[in-house]
Amino acid sequence: DTGVSQNPRHKITKRGQNVTFRCDPISEHNRLYWYRQTLGQGPEFLTYFQNEAQLEKSRLLSDRFSAERPKGSFSTLEIQRTEQGDSAMYLCASSYGTENTEAFFGQGTRLTVV
Amino acid sequence: AQSVTQPDIHITVSEGASLELRCNYSYGATPYLFWYVQSPGQGLQLLLKYFSGDTLVQGIKGFEAEFKRSQSSFNLRKPSVHWSDAAEYFCAVAPYNTDKLIFGTGTRLQVFP
Repeated sequence: DTGVSQNPRHKITKRGQNVTFRCDPISEHNRLYWYRQTLGQGPEFLTYFQNEAQLEKSRLLSDRFSAERPKGSFSTLEIQRTEQGDSAMYLCASSYGTENTEAFFGQGTRLTVV
Repeated sequence: AQSVTQPDIHITVSEGASLELRCNYSYGATPYLFWYVQSPGQGLQLLLKYFSGDTLVQGIKGFEAEFKRSQSSFNLRKPSVHWSDAAEYFCAVAPYNTDKLIFGTGTRLQVFP
């Protein structure tokens, strides 16, 4: 098992462009989470999936953000019309089970909006 | 609302010295409690977790944490710090019956030889 994989690791984009990040969770992990981490802060919860169902979305997730997990395996996070305030590290995590269990994190995708 | 406070933004210790990183949480009941470590360029790694039972929890890399309900605290300790422990440490809570982690702002640990 190679752990949680996120691509790309770094993304620089111009303001107003759309970006998409991918997360491949650990095999057979049914839960997948997205977090955002800005400089000097801890990660903030964005959304999570159980299998293909998106069960919770944070109020941080504006209309410009959308996440999918179409087949209950990998997930994508898209940001439309990026703004400079979107610059952050986007972290993905996965876990297995039906209760609070250990979440394994990927190395993240660092987004810079210029 | 649930929250996590890590009062120390930055701590510096000498290699071999003992370490205690503070964490306080705000929640109406006993949440699930976690400590994660983040090294530069690495993902968050779970050090230890508390769900119930013994309030002194042992984790990886020689770390332990003690849950104190009366103080709403979950402080992380290590008796002898190694240079490789230099990293950012995050305390997190998961309110009962939810899946999201609420993180503190982190404590950056610097270790001098």
